[in-house]
Amino acid sequence: NAGVTQTPKFRVLKTGQSMTLLCAQDMNHEYMYWYRQDPGMGLRLIHYSVGEGTTAKGEVPDGYNVSRLKKQNFLLGLESAAPSQTSVYFCASRQATGNEQFFGPGTRLTVL
Amino acid sequence: GEDVEQSLFLSVREGDSSVINCTYTDSSSTYLYWYKQEPGAGLQLLTYIFSNMDMKQDQRLTVLLNKKDKHLSLRIADTQTGDSAIYFCAVGFSGGYNKLIFGAGTRLAVHP
Repeated sequence: NAGVTQTPKFRVLKTGQSMTLLCAQDMNHEYMYWYRQDPGMGLRLIHYSVGEGTTAKGEVPDGYNVSRLKKQNFLLGLESAAPSQTSVYFCASRQATGNEQFFGPGTRLTVL
Repeated sequence: GEDVEQSLFLSVREGDSSVINCTYTDSSSTYLYWYKQEPGAGLQLLTYIFSNMDMKQDQRLTVLLNKKDKHLSLRIADTQTGDSAIYFCAVGFSGGYNKLIFGAGTRLAVHP
């Protein structure tokens, strides 16, 4: 049981480049989330999904898109990266009836 | 709006007790959580308390909730160097996508 995995672990982009972060979970969880973590701040929710084929905006969705084509995967896309998107990105998943969100190890993204 | 506040830094001597405090604004929360983040890692759930409880004890961890004052604390007894990490308080809300609002985290440093 790998839990929640994220790829890549690190990435450096130039302004205007695009990329996709992949989150995968093998716990058959219905809910999945993407957060960003910035220094001196708590985690902020970017987008979330309550099931395969559904996504919704969180607190800070601008500049990001997501897709949940398969239940186990939740993709976060940056179409045109900006330096303000330099952050550590965490994915999490949760059972619909559970109380705990399980977090991945994070992806550290730097946009130059 | 919803806000969760934590002090940013705490330093304790090995073997002493640590107390990490958290205050929040929204009293409609259902669960209150403590997560631990070690360097370069994701968030690990330590413990959580249901909002109608006053206290929860789990081995070296004691969580106290004062709902009237909207104050949550985490006490770690016999603090060890392995407890050095960032501790996040999070407030959870039932329904919908089960929103979590995080504090900025308290960095706990344990010294000999």
